[in-house]
Amino acid sequence: AQSVSQHNHHVILSEAASLELGCNYSYGGTVNLFWYVQYPGQHLQLLLKYFSGDPLVKGIKGFEAEFIKSKFSFNLRKPSVQWSDTAEYFCAVSTSGGSYIPTFGRGTSLIVHP
Amino acid sequence: DGGITQSPKYLFRKEGQNVTLSCEQNLNHDAMYWYRQDPGQGLRLIYYSQIVNDFQKGDIAEGYSVSREKKESFPLTVTSAQKNPTAFYLCASSQPPPADTQYFGPGTRLTVL
Repeated sequence: AQSVSQHNHHVILSEAASLELGCNYSYGGTVNLFWYVQYPGQHLQLLLKYFSGDPLVKGIKGFEAEFIKSKFSFNLRKPSVQWSDTAEYFCAVSTSGGSYIPTFGRGTSLIVHP
Repeated sequence: DGGITQSPKYLFRKEGQNVTLSCEQNLNHDAMYWYRQDPGQGLRLIYYSQIVNDFQKGDIAEGYSVSREKKESFPLTVTSAQKNPTAFYLCASSQPPPADTQYFGPGTRLTVL
């Protein structure tokens, strides 16, 4: 069965700091990978996704993630965070073994101080 | 505007009562999902449906039931058999797997007193 681990449960940064949120999955076959974001009071929405091709994926609001197959990782990065990035971030994976139904990680709560 | 609506936003029920949460989408998506979100536990799949009149149990289906009589609607019933029903419930939809982006509703916060 597929599973997803997000190692950072709570992250607190100052504006302009760099961000990297870890995401590791367990599944040996083909994977589809997602990062979703939940801003305070808003719907959960897609930040970026990887299905195939270039392992470096660009998303909305300056976010990017890199798929490293050998490390089973899909870490989320942003060079310089803003106060408006304060949100909860979820990594998700879908696989052929799981009927392509996404499995979500536990989430990372990010607080950015102005 | 296309999207997913969930109602109500807040719901209070007495212990032992069944309660039904509504989820409607106008995105013409075939697949719909119900998740439960608890602090520090992420999203856990309750049920999903890939086509009308068919649905599958997720990881935590015990104490819940669903129906999918229409493409647009996927209501979730929280029964009295659910031992810890107080939670935030999220509905989502997508084109059928293999994967596409899931679109989420605003959620319903259920509190059982």
